[in-house]
Amino acid sequence: SQTIHQWPATLVQPVGSPLSLECTVEGTSNPNLYWYRQAAGRGLQLLFYSVGIGQISSEVPQNLSASRPQDRQFILSSKKLLLSDSGFYLCAWSAGLAGVNEQYFGPGTRLTVT
Amino acid sequence: DQQVKQNSPSLSVQEGRISILNCDYTNSMFDYFLWYKKYPAEGPTFLISISSIKDKNEDGRFTVFLNKSAKHLSLHIVPSQPGDSAVYFCAASPKRSNYQLIWGAGTKLIIKP
Repeated sequence: SQTIHQWPATLVQPVGSPLSLECTVEGTSNPNLYWYRQAAGRGLQLLFYSVGIGQISSEVPQNLSASRPQDRQFILSSKKLLLSDSGFYLCAWSAGLAGVNEQYFGPGTRLTVT
Repeated sequence: DQQVKQNSPSLSVQEGRISILNCDYTNSMFDYFLWYKKYPAEGPTFLISISSIKDKNEDGRFTVFLNKSAKHLSLHIVPSQPGDSAVYFCAASPKRSNYQLIWGAGTKLIIKP
């Protein structure tokens, strides 16, 4: 069965510091990978998605970047965090097959920028 | 412009009764719809989905109804249980997309004992 891991679970970082959140998926090959952010009391905002190694699409212009160095690894980064980057970050995967739309989420990372 | 709308931020239902969560969409290009359940500080969990070629899909206590003419879908939970207390998200996928989901803002369901 497939499993998705995200770490760390919580993170408190000062403004201006760098960020690296990691996500890995087990039990599947060639998945589509996603980074979402959920602000307090809001829905899910898609930040980045990837359909393959090195292929990243950005949905929202922002202070963040993403990379996919391996098939089942997805990394969210920032060089300098802003207060507005605080939120709950979720990684997800889907099968990457035509007509298969279900996405499966990791446990999330709570980021607080102080 | 919100293409997927969940107009009720919260809903309170007695345990054992039916919970009905609603979702409206504006884009006629959506052809696949999903419901997710989310507990605090956890990732959303996929619950049930429906294709636009159907008007109903059942999975145990969960049933999703789709009314294409009204651009409306609903999730019915019968009977409601305390563990159903969570935030429920509706999501829609455009035709010919295998990656894009458009999300509603969520409805918080509270099951009262």
